[in-house]
Amino acid sequence: GESVGLHLPTLSVQEGDNSIINCAYSNSASDYFIWYKQESGKGPQFIIDIRSNMDKRQGQRVTVLLNKTVKHLSLQIAATQPGDSAVYFCAENQGGSEKLVFGKGTKLTVNP
Amino acid sequence: DAGITQSPRHKVTETGTPVTLRCHQTENHRYMYWYRQDPGHGLRLIHYSYGVKDTDKGEVSDGYSVSRSKTEDFLLTLESATSSQTSVYFCAISERSSRTYNEQFFGPGTRLTVL
Repeated sequence: GESVGLHLPTLSVQEGDNSIINCAYSNSASDYFIWYKQESGKGPQFIIDIRSNMDKRQGQRVTVLLNKTVKHLSLQIAATQPGDSAVYFCAENQGGSEKLVFGKGTKLTVNP
Repeated sequence: DAGITQSPRHKVTETGTPVTLRCHQTENHRYMYWYRQDPGHGLRLIHYSYGVKDTDKGEVSDGYSVSRSKTEDFLLTLESATSSQTSVYFCAISERSSRTYNEQFFGPGTRLTVL
């Protein structure tokens, strides 16, 4: 079946570098996407979302890009800090559905 | 955690015993969800509720039941716990009004071990 996936399971970056975490989705009916951050032992934390009528959305140090042509979603973190170390995963919502479909996550490690 | 609490936070139980997990919200959101999170599987939906006494099944609902008698509380019950139900359980809430999409906010989780 169609599901949200991830290109890389792990990503290691140096403090201060920019990080890019990718997500592929296959359901063309999905019209809403969310990025979550999950630190060890905690619940997922909402970071940023984007609707399918947008290509880009910016938050504080984070940017989400949506390419509907190739069904690709990315999360960019500027000036990555040790506190950004966590598992990041994306979620998609098909139009009108009460349910989110989650990817399995990418573990980001920030080296000092 | 967006006004969401879960209890207990940790529980160890034996196979065959009933277990009830509680999710409590102070946001007055209409939708509430129960997920389990396991290595290699990510978050999987167990059951969800779209209002008081209105619930529906998710993708992994076998062996679980839910109840919602008040807007603020959503209970997940394992009628007879099995070792395969050892997992971390998360509750989430969402408003999903005409101005918002399905933004879900999560609680801190309950770690359940079934021996």
